[in-house]
Formats: sequence, structure tokens, C-alpha cells
Amino acid sequence: GAVVSQHPSWVICKSGTSVKIECRSLDFQATTMFWYRQFPKQSLMLMATSNEGSKATYEQGVEKDKFLINHASLTLSTLTVTSAHPEDSSFYICSAKSGPSRFFGPGTRLTVL
Amino acid sequence: GIQVEQSPPDLILQEGANSTLRCNFSDSVNNLQWFHQNPWGQLINLFYIPSGTKQNGRLSATTVATERYSLLYISSSQTTDSGVYFCAVLGLDSSYKLIFGSGTRLLVRP
Repeated sequence: GAVVSQHPSWVICKSGTSVKIECRSLDFQATTMFWYRQFPKQSLMLMATSNEGSKATYEQGVEKDKFLINHASLTLSTLTVTSAHPEDSSFYICSAKSGPSRFFGPGTRLTVL
Repeated sequence: GIQVEQSPPDLILQEGANSTLRCNFSDSVNNLQWFHQNPWGQLINLFYIPSGTKQNGRLSATTVATERYSLLYISSSQTTDSGVYFCAVLGLDSSYKLIFGSGTRLLVRP
């Protein structure tokens, strides 16, 4: 199956700093990627849809100035959490579409101190 | 928007037992997938099954689209089957948004 990677797998940062998470489709091209957020023992919540070469589409309630998404190529999307605060601590997962299926990265665990 | 409900929310099995997980959805769908999230958080594709029946080893799935539900069968469960099982659907009115159910948390004891 298609492989999606994420980097870093975990990150700890101080409050007020920015953190960038990379999502790559390794063996296929993805014009559309998706960013999810997952709190402990909860389901995945879609944050935004990342479109190659255009602006991301954010879900209601997600601050686009706080969660910056860039999809500069057909294999790379990045999520930057700007001015992170402890409430941004979460598990962030990206996904890419290959054919009719979706494939997911291994996730990035963000802890903001 | 489309609602996705999964049952049971939690399940504990003895190794070797069989189980059935259920996913109900509130509207017609274009796509339905089952995923297993392992203890490290990785989501693993199990089935793409908008309708019909598929089998892969000890796992099988059936979706009855007209009645808006899907079932995931796990036979002869193993401890490595532990984790959370998610059903996710793509509504007819949402081209790209995969909507997840709340999941079934499975623990298989040796």
C-alpha cells in the first residue's frame, strides 16, 4: 500500500515557539492531503484540507493563522503550529489520498510546556 | 453532516475469541474504510469497503449500503489485534472529507 511519512514523530517545545510538522507521500503523488488532530482516547478530528499549489481549506473552528498549512509539492505538506501553547498539545496525523483510499502517516506527538 | 456511530465502544476478549464490530452511518456514502490504530498511534488500512464483503486473513468486513451499516469481523483474535478500530466514511455531499466514528477500543488478553 501507499506510504505516508511524518517528521518529527514527537516534539517538545516551550510555550510561544513555533513548530513545523512535515508530511510526505513516499511512493505516490498527492494533490490533496489532510491534517487531523487527536486527543487522548478520542477520535480523529479533521483540521484542514491541504491542496497542492493553493490555499488550504480549514474546518470550522480551526484558526488558520495559528495552524499554517503549506502544500508546496505533490509529495509534501507542512503544518506549522505558531506561537504554541499547552492547549495545542496533541497528536497530529496527516493523510493522503491514493485512489479511493486514504493512507495515514504515523503521527506527531506535540507537547507544549 | 453525516454521523458515524460505532459499537461497542470498548471490548475485552480472551485470545482466540471472535468478535464483531459495528459501524452505523446516517446517510449514503461514497467510501467506507476500516482502520486499526495500534498502540503507537499508527493508523493501518484494513478495508476499503463501500459495499459488499471482503476478507483478509482473520479479518473480514461487510457493508450493507442500503441499510447504512458495516461490520468488521475478527476471528481467532490475537494480542496484536489490540488497539482502536475506526470506521470512516465519505459522504456523497463531501468530496474529500473522511468522517471518523468514535472507535471501538479492543483489548485482547493472552
